Amino acid sequence: KAGVTQTPRYLIKTRGQQVTLSCSPISGHRSVSWYQQTPGQGLQFLFEYFSETQRNKGNFPGRFSGRQFSNSRSEMNVSTLELGDSALYLCASSLETSANEQFFGPGTRLTVL
Amino acid sequence: AQSVTQLDSHVSVSEGTPVLLRCNYSSSYSPSLFWYVQHPNKGLQLLLKYTSAATLVKGINGFEAEFKKSETSFHLTKPSAHMSDAAEYFCVVRTPPGNTGKLIFGQGTTLQVKP
Repeated sequence: KAGVTQTPRYLIKTRGQQVTLSCSPISGHRSVSWYQQTPGQGLQFLFEYFSETQRNKGNFPGRFSGRQFSNSRSEMNVSTLELGDSALYLCASSLETSANEQFFGPGTRLTVL
Repeated sequence: AQSVTQLDSHVSVSEGTPVLLRCNYSSSYSPSLFWYVQHPNKGLQLLLKYTSAATLVKGINGFEAEFKKSETSFHLTKPSAHMSDAAEYFCVVRTPPGNTGKLIFGQGTTLQVKP
């Protein structure tokens, strides 16, 4: 069974631009969560989606948004990029809820110049 | 509010010696606790989880952790370190427990294994 896949793996953007990251969960998994990892703040929860609905949200500004499609694939979008948005963005999928084991993808490394 | 504190940012051991990575938690509920490992340029992998069953939890690759409510601790141990154990380790609490919730990560402990 294929694992969680994230595309692209690396991305370079400039301040003010917007970016869309994609996550394909493990087949049969319906819950997708997103996390941001930076050296200073560590790993922080962004949001969780289940059945195309946002079920939980972390403490991030409205520039960070996401969505989930009917096939459980998820995208997250960051608008008006700031230098501080440079991070590794990790996606995790689980069967029904985040109470199940979360399987993480390799992440997308975003660099904002 | 629930949180975890990893007491050491960096731990160095020699190959073949025991590993101890320390984690204290704060929770107003009966917590769900996890240890994850992250190897360089790889995603996070679940080592083990505690969800109010046995207090001694066995995980993959010879790791285990003991939940101690009186000490609010969930330390990770391994009897004998292997070179391949060198990685970043995260102690994690899920808040709130149950079907919805988010993972709260500790700051991480870098494990160095010397030959």
